[in-house]
Amino acid sequence: DAGVTQTPRHEVAEKGQTIILKCEPVSGHNDLFWYRQTKIQGLELLSYFRSKSLMEDGGAFKDRFKAEMLNSSFSTLKIQPTEPKDSAVYLCASSLGLGVYEQYFGPGTRLTVL
Amino acid sequence: GDSVTQTEGQVTVSESKSLIINCTYSTTSIAYPNLFWYVRYPGEGLQLLLKVITAGQKGSSRGFEATYNKETTSFHLQKASVQESDSAVYYCALALPNYNVLYFGSGTKLTVEP
Repeated sequence: DAGVTQTPRHEVAEKGQTIILKCEPVSGHNDLFWYRQTKIQGLELLSYFRSKSLMEDGGAFKDRFKAEMLNSSFSTLKIQPTEPKDSAVYLCASSLGLGVYEQYFGPGTRLTVL
Repeated sequence: GDSVTQTEGQVTVSESKSLIINCTYSTTSIAYPNLFWYVRYPGEGLQLLLKVITAGQKGSSRGFEATYNKETTSFHLQKASVQESDSAVYYCALALPNYNVLYFGSGTKLTVEP
């Protein structure tokens, strides 16, 4: 089975731009997560989907961050407009679902906002 | 809220020596959380090392062990004899029962010297 894939692996954006990050979860997984990783804040949840329904949208990130699951095998994270403080590694993870807790992580997208 | 604390940002150990990486957790839930150690080896994605979902039990994998201590709210990671290949970043995490969102500690970078 293929693992979680994320594209692009690196993204450079100007302040104010709109960027879209993509994620394909492990086939058959029902839960999908977006996390952000920075040196200061560590790993923080951005969004959590269960069977394509949004379960949690990470409060502080509601403003300019929007995650969607277009179908069970594809998710996007849109940041609009980008700010320099959004520079971070964005991780997508998936798991089978309720009762099964291991999350499988993608390699991440490193975003730099100038 | 729910949180995990790892006090050591970096640890350096000589090969064949013992290791302990500290982790304590805090939760407002009346239910005991599920506890995990994830690891990121150089050049690889974040992956599950071990998990324990029952207070008082011990989990083990690849020579590492961690015991879920609900009295001290701790889940320290230990290994009797480390190898160079154990050099990685280790993250302690918790999830509430039946809710798969992971709350991560800040991570501990382990360097094993030959």
